Amino acid sequence: GENVEQHPSTLSVQEGDSAVIKCTYSDSASNYFPWYKQELAKGPQLIIDIRSNVGEKKDQRIAVTLNKTAKHFSLHITETQPEDSAVYFCAPTGGTSYGKLTFGQGTILTVHP
Amino acid sequence: DVKVTQSSRYLVKRTGEKVFLECVQDMDHENMFWYRQDPGLGLRLIYFSYDVKMKEKGDIPEGYSVSREKKERFSLILESASTNQTSMYLCASSFRQFTDTQYFGPGTRLTVL
Repeated sequence: GENVEQHPSTLSVQEGDSAVIKCTYSDSASNYFPWYKQELAKGPQLIIDIRSNVGEKKDQRIAVTLNKTAKHFSLHITETQPEDSAVYFCAPTGGTSYGKLTFGQGTILTVHP
Repeated sequence: DVKVTQSSRYLVKRTGEKVFLECVQDMDHENMFWYRQDPGLGLRLIYFSYDVKMKEKGDIPEGYSVSREKKERFSLILESASTNQTSMYLCASSFRQFTDTQYFGPGTRLTVL
């Protein structure tokens, strides 16, 4: 199955700074790479995803970059705001783990006003 | 908007009790999932279902069973609850492909005493 490592486990930034979270996976056949955001007392919600035929995708202040050779992908948040404070999870899938999202351990992002 | 609802936000049960967690989605999704979430471990897949009466084991199925008699409803059953099953349980659904966005319910915090 897929082994997923997410770093850092906690990240604290000042409002307006950038934040980067990295996800490393083991299954070279993975072809779908989503990022989920979980706010307090809520279930996770998809914020951005990328497929293996694309190297980068951007949606306003958030972006995801993919390095298939090195088997990692990263979430980039620019101009952070307090409402970005949440837990972020990566969940690479495809290949031998098709049908099952394997979530990373999560990154607690805190944005200080 | 997709809505995934879970029968309880908080549940307290005693060791040995049979526990039912219910999940309902209103968007005619084919796939439904049950995860448990523990600090530092992310979300781990317990069971998933891609059709009525169909079920597949996830990564941690031991001690759990599921039932999907209707498309919109997916139940998680703890046959004999144990203290190590104290956790947050999250239900999710997705449209058809396993790479379709998963929509999560708010979660049920289960405490087994």
